[in-house]
Amino acid sequence: GQNIDQPTEMTATEGAIVQINCTYQTSGFNGLFWYQQHAGEAPTFLSYNVLDGLEEKGRFSSFLSRSDSYGYLLLQELQMKDSASYLCAAVDSNYQLIWGAGTKLIIKP
Amino acid sequence: GAVVSQHPSRVICKSGTSVKIECRSLDFQATTMFWYRQFPKQSLMLMATSNEGSKATYEQGVEKDKFLINHASLTLSTLTVTSAHPEDSSFYICSAAPGQVEAFFGQGTRLTVV
Repeated sequence: GQNIDQPTEMTATEGAIVQINCTYQTSGFNGLFWYQQHAGEAPTFLSYNVLDGLEEKGRFSSFLSRSDSYGYLLLQELQMKDSASYLCAAVDSNYQLIWGAGTKLIIKP
Repeated sequence: GAVVSQHPSRVICKSGTSVKIECRSLDFQATTMFWYRQFPKQSLMLMATSNEGSKATYEQGVEKDKFLINHASLTLSTLTVTSAHPEDSSFYICSAAPGQVEAFFGQGTRLTVV
């Protein structure tokens, strides 16, 4: 079956760095998405990786290793507003999104 | 980026009534739109794939007669929750893609059935 694994919850300190890992098992693979979702709101797009390597976008970076079926989202210079759930989603061979359960990130002062 | 508009953002309805939720792609045409449901503290659950001009494809366990999907144009898909019950209370989200892969979400609809 298809499956996405990511930690349920993580805690970090304001100003620090946190890495949220995601491993996937899908029938075919056409990329990895990361979304941020604040409570009660719809997800917002953060990044999409289809090639191996690190893509940097300001404080947020995303990494993909296709050979390891693994990716991560790196958040730097954490701010209180970064407290949210972070959803990892892999695109399968039918171009459907397979969603992880999300990682709740708690930022402490 | 592409914009997907979903309406209404919140709705409260009485048990037994029907509720229609609209999803519009504002600056692109979407032959395919997706409808998700999300319960508190859980991830998105795909309900159905809406195809313009044809019947929607429902995921296993989703009642197609209860959740009516209409994709009448390339920019509009609607989800109607018929004979709503309190257990249908949830956060409903649509998404659409201008291309084959990227997906943009609507703002979501918080449905409360009383």
